[in-house]
Amino acid sequence: AQKITQTQPGMFVQEKEAVTLDCTYDTSDPSYGLFWYKQPSSGEMIFLIYQGSYDQQNATEGRYSLNFQKARKSANLVISASQLGDSAMYFCAMRELRINFGNEKLTFGTGTRLTIIP
Amino acid sequence: NAGVTQTPKFQVLKTGQSMTLQCAQDMNHNSMYWYRQDPGMGLRLIYYSASEGTTDKGEVPNGYNVSRLNKREFSLRLESAAPSQTSVYFCASAPKVSYEQYFGPGTRLTVT
Repeated sequence: AQKITQTQPGMFVQEKEAVTLDCTYDTSDPSYGLFWYKQPSSGEMIFLIYQGSYDQQNATEGRYSLNFQKARKSANLVISASQLGDSAMYFCAMRELRINFGNEKLTFGTGTRLTIIP
Repeated sequence: NAGVTQTPKFQVLKTGQSMTLQCAQDMNHNSMYWYRQDPGMGLRLIYYSASEGTTDKGEVPNGYNVSRLNKREFSLRLESAAPSQTSVYFCASAPKVSYEQYFGPGTRLTVT
């Protein structure tokens, strides 16, 4: 089974609208972390936001927030007031802390290509 | 701080040729990683090094070898390149206890 599933290969959103990028995960590890990375057309990987499995509140970083629903095993990224510069690939990733104790290797989803329309 | 640097940025190889991808970080991180990114596949872990002197296989290690030369440097070697190894290769590093990995700019490798 896929550990990280991103079901939206591509999305088109009008500028200034909010957008939700879906991510579901599968793990038996009770201790894990979920990440979102942005990859613009220039190719670099940019860390956006992190959510720990024991965190009580949803993570927020500026215009980014993570809608964490533990029972449903989903960790959707919400971008508020989208901008043209948000056009990029977005990857969800997971780190399983007990299974991989001592290192921080990540398992990535296949990504969602977001295009913001002016 | 330069962060994570990778050389070269681009490389074209013929089938059967060998080469080494270099990665260095100046953040005093313990852990280092090599990923490959193929279209529609996301990033997949090739090898990682949890600390200086240790290396372990990731999800797709076949056809590759690695060396953790010191704390700063982690190299990836292709002994006999194959067209299936055409990909973009990313190196990343992380402190021993951290929430995020820091990625290098990537190396675009084409094997003909």
